Amino acid sequence: AQSVTQLDSHVSVSEGTPVLLRCNYSSSYSPSLFWYVQHPNKGLQLLLKYTSAATLVKGINGFEAEFKKSETSFHLTKPSAHMSDAAEYFCVVSLRNSGNTPLVFGKGTRLSVIA
Amino acid sequence: EAQVTQNPRYLITVTGKKLTVTCSQNMNHEYMSWYRQDPGLGLRQIYYSMNVEVTDKGDVPEGYKVSRKEKRNFPLILESPSPNQTSLYFCASSRLTLSSYNEQFFGPGTRLTVL
Repeated sequence: AQSVTQLDSHVSVSEGTPVLLRCNYSSSYSPSLFWYVQHPNKGLQLLLKYTSAATLVKGINGFEAEFKKSETSFHLTKPSAHMSDAAEYFCVVSLRNSGNTPLVFGKGTRLSVIA
Repeated sequence: EAQVTQNPRYLITVTGKKLTVTCSQNMNHEYMSWYRQDPGLGLRQIYYSMNVEVTDKGDVPEGYKVSRKEKRNFPLILESPSPNQTSLYFCASSRLTLSSYNEQFFGPGTRLTVL
């Protein structure tokens, strides 16, 4: 069975400092992994995705994530936080080559950015 | 513009009064899905559809119905809403190709309150 664990429900950083949002997954198969962002009162937007082409994945707005199979992790990072990064972030795992394309969502990490 | 639309965006209703939330996509996607989002629980899948006339239960289907008569539309029906169905609902769609990841595109959400 697949599962996703976001290790922090809330992360608070100062503007201009690095961001680290942690995600661990479990999957019996080679997974596809995603990070989605949800700004207040908005829908979900794809930040980046891992599909086995490269372990370091670059996304929009300066975010990137590294797939580490040995650690079953897919942590999201950004070198310098901006006020507009304040949002809810979801780590998501999808079973590849599946007709159902189920998405298993983590419970989310709320990122606060302090001026 | 490629998009998933949902209507209504906000709805307040009373227990037992049937309602339908519509979802439509213009990307010719085979796969469509409904999720509900509740604080601390992330997103949970309600129902999904892999093509016209093909639907199946997700993780939390009780109290909901869906239909897929046309490829672009996937309405969510609550025959007799109850207060525990107060939630934020998202519709999503994606291509259905077995050989690639399945990035899902999300609608803007429907906030439902059942009194």
